[in-house]
Amino acid sequence: AQSVSQHNHHVILSEAASLELGCNYSYGGTVNLFWYVQYPGQHLQLLLKYFSGDPLVKGIKGFEAEFIKSKFSFNLRKPSVQWSDTAEYFCAVNASSSASKIIFGSGTRLSIRP
Amino acid sequence: GAVVSQHPSWVICKSGTSVKIECRSLDFQATTMFWYRQFPKQSLMLMATSNEGSKATYEQGVEKDKFLINHASLTLSTLTVTSAHPEDSSFYICSARRGDGDYGYTFGSGTRLTVV
Repeated sequence: AQSVSQHNHHVILSEAASLELGCNYSYGGTVNLFWYVQYPGQHLQLLLKYFSGDPLVKGIKGFEAEFIKSKFSFNLRKPSVQWSDTAEYFCAVNASSSASKIIFGSGTRLSIRP
Repeated sequence: GAVVSQHPSWVICKSGTSVKIECRSLDFQATTMFWYRQFPKQSLMLMATSNEGSKATYEQGVEKDKFLINHASLTLSTLTVTSAHPEDSSFYICSARRGDGDYGYTFGSGTRLTVV
């Protein structure tokens, strides 16, 4: 069974700082990888996803993530964060088969100091 | 874009009563829908996977007789919390997977259930 680990539970940064949130998954087969964001009081939104091809994936709002297969990692990055990036970030994985369930990591709360 | 509507957004019910939560895909056909539960400041825990026209597949530890799931059409899945207790109070979120090939998943806005 697949699992996802997010080691940073709460990250606090100042505006304009660079961001990297860690995500590691455990699964022996081919996977699809996702990063979702949940702004305060709002529902989950997809930031970016990786299915195949270029391991460096660019998403919305300046976010990107790099799939490193040898490390089973899919870290999320942003070169310069803004106060509006304050939110909960979830890494997720599913096995590459149709109708497969998505398993979420425990989430990382990102707080940006203005 | 794909939109999933979840209703109600919040509900308060008395212990022992049942509550039904609806999840609708508004502009696409969802071959598969997922139900999650999210406790405060925690991640989403998958409860069950439902496929249109067949029985739902429940995750380990989830009581299928307590959390009834019906996926009657390609645009509607319902979750009924039967004989609700205060410990069932939580945030319930549905997700719908489009039937096309890009494995797109869209999430509903969630339902806050409070059992008193």
